Amino acid sequence: EVQLVQSGAEVKKPGESLKISCKGSGFSFTTSWIAWVRQMPGKGLEWMGIIYPGDSETRYSPAFQGQVTISADKSISTVYLQWSSLKASDTAMYYCARRHNWNVGGFYYYYMDVWGKGTTVTVSS
Amino acid sequence: DIQMTQSPSSLSASVGDRVTITCRASQNINNYLNWYQQKPGQAPNLLIYAASSWQSGVPSRFSGSGSGTDFTLTISSLQPEDFATYFCQQSHTAPYTFGQGTKLEIK
Repeated sequence: EVQLVQSGAEVKKPGESLKISCKGSGFSFTTSWIAWVRQMPGKGLEWMGIIYPGDSETRYSPAFQGQVTISADKSISTVYLQWSSLKASDTAMYYCARRHNWNVGGFYYYYMDVWGKGTTVTVSS
Repeated sequence: DIQMTQSPSSLSASVGDRVTITCRASQNINNYLNWYQQKPGQAPNLLIYAASSWQSGVPSRFSGSGSGTDFTLTISSLQPEDFATYFCQQSHTAPYTFGQGTKLEIK
């Protein structure tokens, strides 16, 4: 079964560090791009960034560049999202998702076809 | 970043109704447009990609159309399980931004 399994809910204090994970199985993890998506309470979806575990090439949304770090360990088919100093505004659900590439005559269509169940991060003093 | 604007933000409808949700891009994205459905407490689920192609397993009552800057998602005959929030997403240029969502509620 193709799946992404995310780590469990976290409750942290402002200023603390955190690293959450997303483990893939049932597909070629090292040749897939994995994205992170934020959903703040009661709000919409925000694309944070994406990583290619095969060589750890990473791209960030400008809104999240410098705020988080995305990394990968291809030996265990896992990608990570980490914060060095959490803020209350980081309270959200975080999803990882596989980006599927569909090649039509040399034109590449991208869409997120497999999603993890999400990791809830709560930052509160 | 490309801005995606959905309308309406919320919609009340009845089982059996035909419903249309609109998504507009701030610039030409050709047909690089995806639609997702999200139910409360669940991750989003891909419905449509490349503006009009069905993801495997998605019922044919869902259809997508459009190109350029204007797109629509149509549900031909609402079923009880369709009451959810729908998001569009452009995949033309990173960051692959989403619309703000359309919440479809039971009338």
